[in-house]
Amino acid sequence: DTAVSQTPKYLVTQMGNDKSIKCEQNLGHDTMYWYKQDSKKFLKIMFSYNNKELIINETVPNRFSPKSPDKAHLNLHINSLELGDSAVYFCASSQNPSGTAYNEQFFGPGTRLTVL
Amino acid sequence: SQQGEEDPQALSIQEGENATMNCSYKTSINNLQWYRQNSGRGLVHLILIRSNEREKHSGRLRVTLDTSKKSSSLLITASRAADTASYFCATALNSGYSTLTFGKGTMLLVSP
Repeated sequence: DTAVSQTPKYLVTQMGNDKSIKCEQNLGHDTMYWYKQDSKKFLKIMFSYNNKELIINETVPNRFSPKSPDKAHLNLHINSLELGDSAVYFCASSQNPSGTAYNEQFFGPGTRLTVL
Repeated sequence: SQQGEEDPQALSIQEGENATMNCSYKTSINNLQWYRQNSGRGLVHLILIRSNEREKHSGRLRVTLDTSKKSSSLLITASRAADTASYFCATALNSGYSTLTFGKGTMLLVSP
């Protein structure tokens, strides 16, 4: 069974549209993350959730809204998509004391978003 | 500012050779982690080394950490074509809210 799964794997859409990416982990972890990887492979944290609560929001435009319905799920909704949002988005999970990064993270396969 | 910086950016070797990648960072850390990313895939955790450790081994992987120089190295011995991937170091701070901060990665190509 896949530990961290994301859907969809590919997402192609027009500027101005609203889209969502879903993430689920079956590892029983209490912390989940969203990362953005740009075309140069630079990986940057966007959000961190611990027990369904937002812990870290790294200066991400408010067009991006994460939602955690339960500990196993962290979805990412993006409003009014822009060309610069094109990237690969990774979900990850870990078992970390709240607000820390003391342990390893498990990554999903990524969602490649292309905004035309 | 970005915490980790890998060196070199790209490395091309033959199967059987050793590959060494370096990572430098700027502030004190709780731990440093190395991840591998195959083309088009997610990141896979390789090794975590804590600030009070100097060296760790896992199979053909050896990681060192020098906190006085704020640097780490990843050595892959007897490389295989399947080791071809991008390798990232990531650091975790020791205080306050912290997430992993990734470097830009080293792209390793192992030719048969």
